Amino acid sequence: ETGVTQTPRHLVMGMTNKKSLKCEQHLGHNAMYWYKQSAKKPLELMFVYSLEERVENNSVPSRFSPECPNSSHLFLHLHTLQPEDSALYLCASSQFSGSTDTQYFGPGTRLTVL
Amino acid sequence: GDSVTQMEGPVTLSEEAFLTINCTYTATGYPSLFWYVQYPGEGLQLLLKATKADDKGSNKGFEATYRKETTSFHLEKGSVQVSDSAVYFCALSDRSGANNLFFGTGTRLTVIP
Repeated sequence: ETGVTQTPRHLVMGMTNKKSLKCEQHLGHNAMYWYKQSAKKPLELMFVYSLEERVENNSVPSRFSPECPNSSHLFLHLHTLQPEDSALYLCASSQFSGSTDTQYFGPGTRLTVL
Repeated sequence: GDSVTQMEGPVTLSEEAFLTINCTYTATGYPSLFWYVQYPGEGLQLLLKATKADDKGSNKGFEATYRKETTSFHLEKGSVQVSDSAVYFCALSDRSGANNLFFGTGTRLTVIP
C-alpha cells in the first residue's frame, strides 16, 4: 500500500450503533488529520494529531472520538450518531515541521447514518 | 478569522477551452495557498501551491499566482481536457502550530468533448 489508505470506504450505520473508521499512512509522516466533507460546505477540520498528541479539536461533538495509537494509524470511533453526521470523512497526513506542510489525503469513508 | 471564498460552480467547458476558477482569501498573517483537486470517488490531491506573495504554483498545465494586493489565488489552465473534470478546492494554511488548512466550498468542473 502507498500513500494514505482508509477503511471502510463505505459505511451505513444506525443511530445506536458503534463503529470505527481507520486511517493508515505509509508516508513516514508525523501528523494526521480528520476532516468532514458535507455537500455544499467547506471541508471541516475535526482533529489534528502531531507526534501522536492531539493538538486540535474543533468543537467536535463527543459522539466522535479519535484515537492515534502511533504515527501511522488514526481511528475515528463513532457512537450514537445523528443523520446529519452523514458525510465523507477524509483522513490526511503531513510531515509536520513547524512551517507549511503539504497534507496528503486518503480516499475517504462515505458514512450514512440512518 | 481566516477564510477562503471561491467561485461557485458548477462550471462546464468544452475541451480546449480556457479555464479560470476564482479564489480570494482573508487571513491575518501571511498564509500559504493551495489548490487541491478531487476526482470522482477519490480523496483530495494537491494540485499546486504557493508559499509567498508573487509566487506562481504550476502543475499539469494549471497555474495560480499568489497576489497579496488583491488577496487572490485564481486557478487557470489554457486548454482543458475531459480528464480535468473534477472538483477543485482552494485552501490556505495559517502556518499555526497545528498547520490548519482552511478550504473553500469547491468548484465542480465538467469538460465536455
